Order: sequence, then C-alpha cells, then structure tokens
Amino acid sequence: AQSVTQLGSHVSVSEGALVLLRCNYSSSVPPYLFWYVQYPNQGLQLLLKYTTGATLVKGINGFEAEFKKSETSFHLTKPSAHMSDAAEYFCAVNSNFGNEKLTFGTGTRLTIIP
Amino acid sequence: DSGVTQTPKHLITATGQRVTLRCSPRSGDLSVYWYQQSLDQGLQFLIQYYNGEERAKGNILERFSAQQFPDLHSELNLSSLELGDSALYFCASSRGTEGIDTQYFGPGTRLTVL
Repeated sequence: AQSVTQLGSHVSVSEGALVLLRCNYSSSVPPYLFWYVQYPNQGLQLLLKYTTGATLVKGINGFEAEFKKSETSFHLTKPSAHMSDAAEYFCAVNSNFGNEKLTFGTGTRLTIIP
Repeated sequence: DSGVTQTPKHLITATGQRVTLRCSPRSGDLSVYWYQQSLDQGLQFLIQYYNGEERAKGNILERFSAQQFPDLHSELNLSSLELGDSALYFCASSRGTEGIDTQYFGPGTRLTVL
C-alpha cells in the first residue's frame, strides 16, 4: 500500500519569503513522487516529478523538491514566493509499476501575504 | 492548457438521476484515468483505462462505470445519484506506453446533485 501525508493544510508566507511545503510518503517499493498545483477553478498541473536518479528535482515556476529516502520525504521549496504562487498544492505517489494510479495527499493551500 | 478536454464543465442534477461525463485525452495518449475530488475525501483515483481496456480500479462505486472507446475518448457514467456524489471529477491522460508517464489533467467537471 502507498500513502502520502502533507503536513499543514494551510501555509501562509510573505511575498519574497521561502516557501516550504512538506510531504512524507509511505511505500513498500521505491516510489515515484509528484507535486501538482491546482489554481482556483482549474485542473491539476504538474510542477515536478521524481522517478530515479538525481534526488534534487527542479520543476516549473522556480519550484524544486528533494527526495530523501531516509526521511521518506519529498518536500517542495521555492526560494522567493510570488503572489502568483497562491494555489493548492498536492503531493502524490505511485509505487505500483504497471498500474499508474496516483495516490494524493490532502493538499496544502498556500497563501501569499503582500 | 493540458490538452485534455472534459465536458460538460458544470452539471446540476437531482438525486436518483444518471449523468455521463466525457473526456478526450491528449493526442497520442493511450491511458485515461478518472479521479474524484471532494471536500471530505480529497482526490481519489476511480479507474484507469488503457487502449480501450480497464487496467486498474480504485475506490469506484458500483453505481459508477466507465469505458474507453476506439477513438480513445472516455466516458464516466454515474447513476442513482446521491447528494454525496457532488464533487469535481477529473480526467487525466498519459502516454501509457512504458514506466510511469506523466498524467495530464483536464479542467474537470463539477457535478452538483440536489
């Protein structure tokens, strides 16, 4: 079985401050990990994904995430928040090879304070 | 724009009714996935089709069914609707040819059951 835990359903940061959204996963086999962003009234857009290889993954809009196997974590960061980053962020895991269903966390709503 | 289209965008219906949600995947994608997003259950995988065949099943109720047609578009049928079925239904598609391909999400269909 696989699962994802996102700590903090709401996170607020000031514009220009560091963004850190936490994600921990549980998987019995090496996982594939994803971060998606959902803007109001829109679908989910892939920010970045980790499959194999380099553990620091760079995505779109200046976001990056680091896969840490020892901590079973895949936290999302961005050095400097922008107003346009306000959205809901979902971490997801897939560890069933040949069955590509994604298991999502409960999401973190990011608010940017001007 | 992910290239995945879903119709209709909004659907309002009454309890006990039946509705059909439609999804057209990105050009060249063979896999289609359906997800349900609700306030109480979050984002949940319902079902996956690959090239016309059911490939994986998640938390899909017996009142719900889906199919993928020869032109690769998919339909999700929801019957005997209950108030609790009110949710955002997303379709996603991927190449589905090997490994873990990125899933691209459509804008969703918002279903309201009154």
